[in-house]
Amino acid sequence: GQNIDQPTEMTATEGAIVQINCTYQTSGFNGLFWYQQHAGEAPTFLSYNVLDGLEEKGRFSSFLSRSKGYSYLLLKELQMKDSASYLCAAMDSNYQLIWGAGTKLIIKP
Amino acid sequence: DVKVTQSSRYLVKRTGEKVFLECVQDMDHENMFWYRQDPGLGLRLIYFSYDVKMKEKGDIPEGYSVSREKKERFSLILESASTNQTSMYLCASSLGWGSGANVLTFGAGSRLTVL
Repeated sequence: GQNIDQPTEMTATEGAIVQINCTYQTSGFNGLFWYQQHAGEAPTFLSYNVLDGLEEKGRFSSFLSRSKGYSYLLLKELQMKDSASYLCAAMDSNYQLIWGAGTKLIIKP
Repeated sequence: DVKVTQSSRYLVKRTGEKVFLECVQDMDHENMFWYRQDPGLGLRLIYFSYDVKMKEKGDIPEGYSVSREKKERFSLILESASTNQTSMYLCASSLGWGSGANVLTFGAGSRLTVL
């Protein structure tokens, strides 16, 4: 079957670094997405990885290892506004997205 | 910026009522999607459409239908609402298929409560 696993909740301190992990099993693979969702708002796109390696975008980076079925989202210099849920989604061979349940990130001062 | 607009943020309906959720996107995207989001679960795809008048069932289509008469508009219909359809409904659109074109833009969501 197809599934995605990510931690339910994480806590980090303002100014610190946090890594949110995601493991996936899909029938075929066409990329891995990360979305950010603030409470009561729509998910917004953060990153897309289809090749192995690290993609950096400002304070946020996303890593993919296709052989391990593993990705992580790295957030640096955490700010209070980074408190949100982070959704991992893998795209299968039919271009359908398999979604994780999301990781709620709590930032403490 | 691409915008996806959902007509209602909050709705309260009674069991058995017919419910329409409307979604409009303004950037000529080919694909449109309806998801529901429930606590502790990943987004679940109800239906999607890759062209006008075309629709495909997602993972949980039972109890729902959709309509796409115009490219920019995708409607979700609950023929006879039930309490287990109480949820947050998210509409999304994407440019097409293939690398980069699959990025979803979501609407703000419609929170439906069925009493």
